[in-house]
Amino acid sequence: RKEVEQDPGPFNVPEGATVAFNCTYSNSASQSFFWYRQDCRKEPKLLMSVYSSGNEDGRFTAQLNRASQYISLLIRDSKLSDSATYLCVVTPTNAGKSTFGDGTTLTVKP
Amino acid sequence: GAGVSQTPSNKVTEKGKYVELRCDPISGHTALYWYRQSLGQGPEFLIYFQGTGAADDSGLPNDRFFAVRPEGSVSTLKIQRTERGDSAVYLCASSSWDRGNTDTQYFGPGTRLTVL
Repeated sequence: RKEVEQDPGPFNVPEGATVAFNCTYSNSASQSFFWYRQDCRKEPKLLMSVYSSGNEDGRFTAQLNRASQYISLLIRDSKLSDSATYLCVVTPTNAGKSTFGDGTTLTVKP
Repeated sequence: GAGVSQTPSNKVTEKGKYVELRCDPISGHTALYWYRQSLGQGPEFLIYFQGTGAADDSGLPNDRFFAVRPEGSVSTLKIQRTERGDSAVYLCASSSWDRGNTDTQYFGPGTRLTVL
């Protein structure tokens, strides 16, 4: 079993739809959580950090459930420009090593 | 400001050759990471530097892989006796991480290595 698991998708949604991605992690000692976005043949870029209390950035909402070792990302009112691969990332606080999921691919269609 | 830069952007080599990949982190970032990414997969951790020292090299697949960061800034990933299975995009990231703080990593554009 992988340390960080994501549904690979692809998720194909129409513009304006709401879509949710899930991620589970196996290391209960993990302390820092992130969502990165990666466009085709580009480097990953930070989308948002994920905090225990949940956090929102515009159309994006991230949630963390430590008890279930589960992270989610909700995208509301999807735009064509949201089409990308979304990577879930987990990092322990006592080391820099980060573990990435294999990503979930989103395609938003007109 | 300038982001993380990596050179070369593409490298094609023959099986058995030696290659060096360079990473120039964001100025002032003490932490530097190397990952490799194969098609359809997320980045796979290789090694992490805090300053000049390798704080965690547990991701290096074998002793053909080695990385240095002699002055705590630029880093070089070295691969000896390359194999076809080494073909991947090699990503470098840097952060201002220190113990106890949230680690936001900024990635370079990567070096696409192809071993023929």
